[in-house]
Amino acid sequence: EDQVTQSPEALRLQEGESSSLNCSYTVSGLRGLFWYRQDPGKGPEFLFTLYSAGEEKEKERLKATLTKKESFLHITAPKPEDSATYLCAVHDYGQNFVFGPGTRLSVLP
Amino acid sequence: DAGVIQSPRHEVTEMGQEVTLRCKPISGHDYLFWYRQTMMRGLELLIYFNNNVPIDDSGMPEDRFSAKMPNASFSTLKIQPSEPRDSAVYFCASSLEGTRRETQYFGPGTRLLVL
Repeated sequence: EDQVTQSPEALRLQEGESSSLNCSYTVSGLRGLFWYRQDPGKGPEFLFTLYSAGEEKEKERLKATLTKKESFLHITAPKPEDSATYLCAVHDYGQNFVFGPGTRLSVLP
Repeated sequence: DAGVIQSPRHEVTEMGQEVTLRCKPISGHDYLFWYRQTMMRGLELLIYFNNNVPIDDSGMPEDRFSAKMPNASFSTLKIQPSEPRDSAVYFCASSLEGTRRETQYFGPGTRLLVL
């Protein structure tokens, strides 16, 4: 059974203080790993999809990386508007989609 | 495009009542997903459809839950009878087969409270 864990559960940063969020996964055959951002009261918003170990993708202050066991979401010089819950999910070749519990990020001005 | 549309946005009902949640996917998308989100269990996939056909309903918690997709532009998730433990936010998402199949676009959700 696929499993996805995320750490830390919550993270508080000062504006400009870079950090990383972790997503660890166990999957029977990874078809894709994806990151979403969720703001309170809204649905998840797509950020990235990663397909193979070594792959990296960037968008503004965010950079996602992937290894065979985990993915990191690096946040460089975050701003208060980056505050949200960040969700990691895996899609396997058995057509299963599993989401992690998320990391709640707060960026203080 | 207006994105994925869900209705109602909020629903309060009493235990034992029937609840029907509705979803309109993004036009042209051929996959539709229903999720449930709670503080305790996070985001859980309930069921998904491809070209209006249910592909995997293993996430549906029990027989009280049922989902239909009569056409490409409409899906329903029904709970009958509802129970307090069904209280959650229910999301619908859609995606398009192809190179970005994994890009699921989520609706705003329906917040369900069963008293």
